[in-house]
Amino acid sequence: EPEVTQTPSHQVTQMGQEVILRCVPISNHLYFYWYRQILGQKVEFLVSFYNNEISEKSEIFDDQFSVERPDGSNFTLKIRSTKLEDSAMYFCASSEAGSGIPYEQYFGPGTRLTVT
Amino acid sequence: GDSVTQMEGPVTLSEEAFLTINCTYTATGYPSLFWYVQYPGEGLQLLLKATKADDKGSNKGFEATYRKETTSFHLEKGSVQVSDSAVYFCALSPGGATNKLIFGTGTLLAVQP
Repeated sequence: EPEVTQTPSHQVTQMGQEVILRCVPISNHLYFYWYRQILGQKVEFLVSFYNNEISEKSEIFDDQFSVERPDGSNFTLKIRSTKLEDSAMYFCASSEAGSGIPYEQYFGPGTRLTVT
Repeated sequence: GDSVTQMEGPVTLSEEAFLTINCTYTATGYPSLFWYVQYPGEGLQLLLKATKADDKGSNKGFEATYRKETTSFHLEKGSVQVSDSAVYFCALSPGGATNKLIFGTGTLLAVQP
């Protein structure tokens, strides 16, 4: 069964460093998403991506964040200068389509980011 | 803005017990409602969904009914198994031009033999 994969499973970085979280969505899916969950808090929407551009982003997704689909299979989330409060579990998801009918979003297992 | 509130965990039950996990929502439009489940070490998986009022979603013995009058979408199962131990997330999608999901905090269910 096709699945969304994410690497690494755990990333430790120092404050101020750049990190790139990687995701491989399901191959025939067209919409891609990033969510995050700070420990003990809700899973929060960050951004959705379609046709090589951002289709929607939340208030959390400020200038230090960026997303890219560099090669037609990977979908990446870059955090330019990490802060302690960026420590969270980051989930990637993909879906066949995006608006109108609520298509199922398929989630990866997550990357735990720890900023020290 | 739109939001989801679900009961705090952990919920600990014995095998074959009845399960209810409460979920209520706040939304300005006509959202779709979902329950996702996360087993240890895995991603979130869609368990069931309902797209309009009075719809009942069901899967693997779990059920939830979209109640507009009480803005609720409680998850129930008549007889839980050890294999149901996981974290359960209630979520909504506001609809219209967006497909983003708005989640609750998740409820950890531990089923003991």
